[in-house]
Amino acid sequence: EVQLVQSGAEVKKPGESLRISCKGAGYSFTSYWITWVRQMPGKGLEWMGRIDPTDSHTNYGPSFQGHVTLSADKSISTAYLQWSSLKASDTAMYYCARRTAGTKFYDYWGQGTLVTVSS
Amino acid sequence: DIQMTQSPSSLSASVGDRVTITCRASQIISTSLNWYQQKPGKAPKVLIYTASTLQSGVPLRFSGSGSGTDFTLTISSLQPEDFATYYCQQTYSTPPAFGQGTRVEIK
Repeated sequence: EVQLVQSGAEVKKPGESLRISCKGAGYSFTSYWITWVRQMPGKGLEWMGRIDPTDSHTNYGPSFQGHVTLSADKSISTAYLQWSSLKASDTAMYYCARRTAGTKFYDYWGQGTLVTVSS
Repeated sequence: DIQMTQSPSSLSASVGDRVTITCRASQIISTSLNWYQQKPGKAPKVLIYTASTLQSGVPLRFSGSGSGTDFTLTISSLQPEDFATYYCQQTYSTPPAFGQGTRVEIK
């Protein structure tokens, strides 16, 4: 069974760093790109960026370039989203999703990781 | 970057109603358009990809149409489990933006 399992909820203070994870199971991790999507409280879906686990090639959305870093460790089938200095505006639910190769849709999603940034 | 605009932002409908949601791209995207359904507290789920292809397991009451810049998601007979928020997404170019969402509520 294909699964994307994300790390648990986090509560952080502004200025702190954070890395959340997304572990793939039940499929060849390097055969599909992993995308990250942000959903702020009560708001819509925002595409943050994607990573190719084969070579860690990344693309970032313009609102996220320079603010987050995507990485992946193919040896343990895990993708990461990290911040070096969190802001209150980073409070959101973060989803990882697997993108199909040809038809470019997200067929499997993680359960989401809620990040709360508050002083 | 391509912008996606959905309408309406929300709608109220009754079980059994036919519901239509539209999505407009700021430039031509061929049929590079997906539709997702999201229920509260859950991850999104793909319904339709490449504008009109029904994802495996999705009920036949869902259909998608359109090409170029204008697209439509139709629910032929709304069921209780269809009350949710629906998002379109273009995959023609990076970044693959989502529309702002359409919330379908019970009348």
